[in-house]
Order: sequence, then structure tokens, then C-alpha cells
Amino acid sequence: AQSVTQPDIHITVSEGASLELRCNYSYGATPYLFWYVQSPGQGLQLLLKYFSGDTLVQGIKGFEAEFKRSQSSFNLRKPSVHWSDAAEYFCAVGAGNFGNEKLTFGTGTRLTIIP
Amino acid sequence: DTGVSQNPRHKITKRGQNVTFRCDPISEHNRLYWYRQTLGQGPEFLTYFQNEAQLEKSRLLSDRFSAERPKGSFSTLEIQRTEQGDSAMYLCASSWTGTNSGNTIYFGEGSWLTVV
Repeated sequence: AQSVTQPDIHITVSEGASLELRCNYSYGATPYLFWYVQSPGQGLQLLLKYFSGDTLVQGIKGFEAEFKRSQSSFNLRKPSVHWSDAAEYFCAVGAGNFGNEKLTFGTGTRLTIIP
Repeated sequence: DTGVSQNPRHKITKRGQNVTFRCDPISEHNRLYWYRQTLGQGPEFLTYFQNEAQLEKSRLLSDRFSAERPKGSFSTLEIQRTEQGDSAMYLCASSWTGTNSGNTIYFGEGSWLTVV
């Protein structure tokens, strides 16, 4: 069965600083990987996804992620964070023919931005 | 396109009562998913439909839970004899499996359930 580990429960960064959120996955085949963002009390918004091809994936809001098969990782990065980036971030791995029939999420990383 | 719509957004119920949540997916999306999210955790898969067929159910979906999608459009999730452990946010999502779909799942804003 697939699993996702997000080792950092809470990260605090200064506005304008760079950001990296860690994600490690366990999956028997080629993984379908996703990053979602969730604002308090809201649903999930897809930031980016990896299915195949280029291992550096660009997403919305200036985010990118890099798939590293050797490390079973899919870390999320942003070169300069904005106060509006404060939210909960979830990494997920998908299973099924389309890679998204059943998503397994990590426990999330809460991002706090300080002025 | 108004996105995935869920109702009610908040529900407080007494233990032992039945509750039902409704999800309206994005128009023409043939797949619909239900997830459950408790505080401090990531969402957990419950079940999904392709059109009106329920294709997979998680073991989390006990016999007190039932989901339907009778006409392949909206879906309902019913919880019978609610327990305090059912308190969570129930998330609905939808996707389209046609060409150029991008395999993207779109989530609704969730329905919060509090069992007192």
C-alpha cells in the first residue's frame, strides 16, 4: 500500500524568504504525485502534479516540485514566499489507472509567514 | 462552471442521529470522490464513483456509511447512528477521465460534521 510522509508538521519562514517543504512517498510502481494547499476551513486546491516526464514540475502561484526517484521524494519549493502563502500543504500519492482514483495524503505541513 | 458544491457546509447533530451530505460535482465530470478529514490530519479516501457505479470503498466506510450517485450526477453520503468519532470534514471531489482531462481532481470546500 502507498504512503506519504511529511516530516515537518509546522514551518515558519519570513516573507520573501525561500521555502522547501519535504515529502517522501512509498509506492510499488511509478508514482503519481500531487501537492495541494488548504486554507483554514476550506477545501483543497491543486498546486501541481507529477505523472511522468520532466522531473521538475511547475505549478501555480510560483511553486515547483522535483521528483527524485532515488530518494522517493517530491519536495515543494518556492523561491520567495508571500504572506498569502500561509496555509496547510499536503503531499499525496495516487493509485489507479488514471493515477488519481485513490489519493493517499500525508499529514500536512502548516506554513506560517512572518513579516 | 461553479466548481464542486457541497451542502450543508456545517452540521451539528446529536449522537445517534442520521445525517446526509450532498455533493454536486463539476458539470460533466464522470468521477466523484468522497474523502474524510479529521483535525490535524490529511484527507482519507472513502469511496469513488464512475458515473453511477461505486467502484471502490475504503474499509473506513463502515456499514453505517452509505454513498450513492443515482443518476451519475450529484451524490449523497449518509451516516446512520452517528458517533462522536464521525466528527470530521467530509470532502467531495470530481474529475473527468476524457482526453485532455489532465487527471486533475477538483475538491469542494467540504462539509463539517460535529457530533455532540
